[in-house]
Amino acid sequence: AQSVTQLGSHVSVSEGALVLLRCNYSSSVPPYLFWYVQYPNQGLQLLLKYTSAATLVKGINGFEAEFKKSETSFHLTKPSAHMSDAAEYFCAVSGPLGNEKLTFGTGTRLTIIP
Amino acid sequence: DGGITQSPKYLFRKEGQNVTLSCEQNLNHDAMYWYRQDPGQGLRLIYYSQIVNDFQKGDIAEGYSVSREKKESFPLTVTSAQKNPTAFYLCAGSQGRELFFGEGSRLTVL
Repeated sequence: AQSVTQLGSHVSVSEGALVLLRCNYSSSVPPYLFWYVQYPNQGLQLLLKYTSAATLVKGINGFEAEFKKSETSFHLTKPSAHMSDAAEYFCAVSGPLGNEKLTFGTGTRLTIIP
Repeated sequence: DGGITQSPKYLFRKEGQNVTLSCEQNLNHDAMYWYRQDPGQGLRLIYYSQIVNDFQKGDIAEGYSVSREKKESFPLTVTSAQKNPTAFYLCAGSQGRELFFGEGSRLTVL
């Protein structure tokens, strides 16, 4: 079974500063990893996904994540935070089979300080 | 527009009443899912269906029921047996691993 752990339920950064949201995974097979974003009272939207093609994955809104097998990590970063980045972010994992369900982390709420 | 449509967006229910949340999709997705979201707990899977007329329990199925009579529709019934039904409910569809979510339904039990 796969699982993910998101370190830090709340993260605050200043506008223009680096955003770093942490995600560590546990999987006995090569994982597929995802980051989703949720704005208040809305559904989740896919930011980016790792599917073994490349370890550095670029997503929407300037976000990117790097798959590090040695650290079992898939941290989400953005060089310069914008006020519109304030939201909740979820890391998720599934196994290599096409019909496997996603398992989500508990989420990290990102606050941007003006 | 294509997507996952959930209704109603807000719903209030008295204790002891069943309530059905609607989820419709026009993306031709084979698989559909229902998640429950509570603060600090992330998303927990209630039920999922990978094909019409078939569905499986997720991690927290007790007190919930679903049906999948049409590919486009996957309604969720929150029964009176669900002890703590107040939550935000999210429906999703997928073709492959990527999930596409609806806007959610917030259920409050009074």
